Amino acid sequence: DSGVTQTPKHLITATGQRVTLRCSPRSGDLSVYWYQQSLDQGLQFLIQYYNGEERAKGNILERFSAQQFPDLHSELNLSSLELGDSALYFCASSAPSGRTHENTGELFFGEGSRLTVL
Amino acid sequence: AQSVTQLDSQVPVFEEAPVELRCNYSSSVSVYLFWYVQYPNQGLQLLLKYLSGSTLVKGINGFEAEFNKSQTSFHLRKPSVHISDTAEYFCAVSMDGTASKLTFGTGTRLQVTL
Repeated sequence: DSGVTQTPKHLITATGQRVTLRCSPRSGDLSVYWYQQSLDQGLQFLIQYYNGEERAKGNILERFSAQQFPDLHSELNLSSLELGDSALYFCASSAPSGRTHENTGELFFGEGSRLTVL
Repeated sequence: AQSVTQLDSQVPVFEEAPVELRCNYSSSVSVYLFWYVQYPNQGLQLLLKYLSGSTLVKGINGFEAEFNKSQTSFHLRKPSVHISDTAEYFCAVSMDGTASKLTFGTGTRLQVTL
């Protein structure tokens, strides 16, 4: 158990719809990362939040957005869904930066949310 | 820009045989290297990492990797695999050693059979 919790584990929806994926990081971790894993694209970094603020952006579509709340949980919103958005969405967290003995590049992943768009 | 190449998408191996999963990276600056493992229906977890120091790094579950700067490689090895090692293995590189700038390879599926 990594300590990162993601809900829901599975989600089936239709094209054009909107869904929200939720992530609770490990206790004490300030950074949250979202990744998309699909067969054709592999593991793609979407976005990172640190203590409520956007820190880094990857290959995230404009139809997707995320935020991190004061209690440090994060949500990834996917709208106007297309068939190609079907994938496994992972959330990960890492130790607070600035404490170099902890911030060694290790990510702790949740078990993912499997999204199927029909 | 940094990138990671995992040339083998699948590696079949018999139980108790040795295995090597290949990883090559490209970067114009110093790098920090990682191997992650993803067991079926689970998230990724860290196997081992190279930040500095000894080029031979030992990780969990008997895996080790060697950083070779001249060949820009970070191959993962295990002298004797077990059925339970069947999983997807991802090599990753970071330019500054933090998780913020991790770039993952496409993964290698290790299939261990009897």
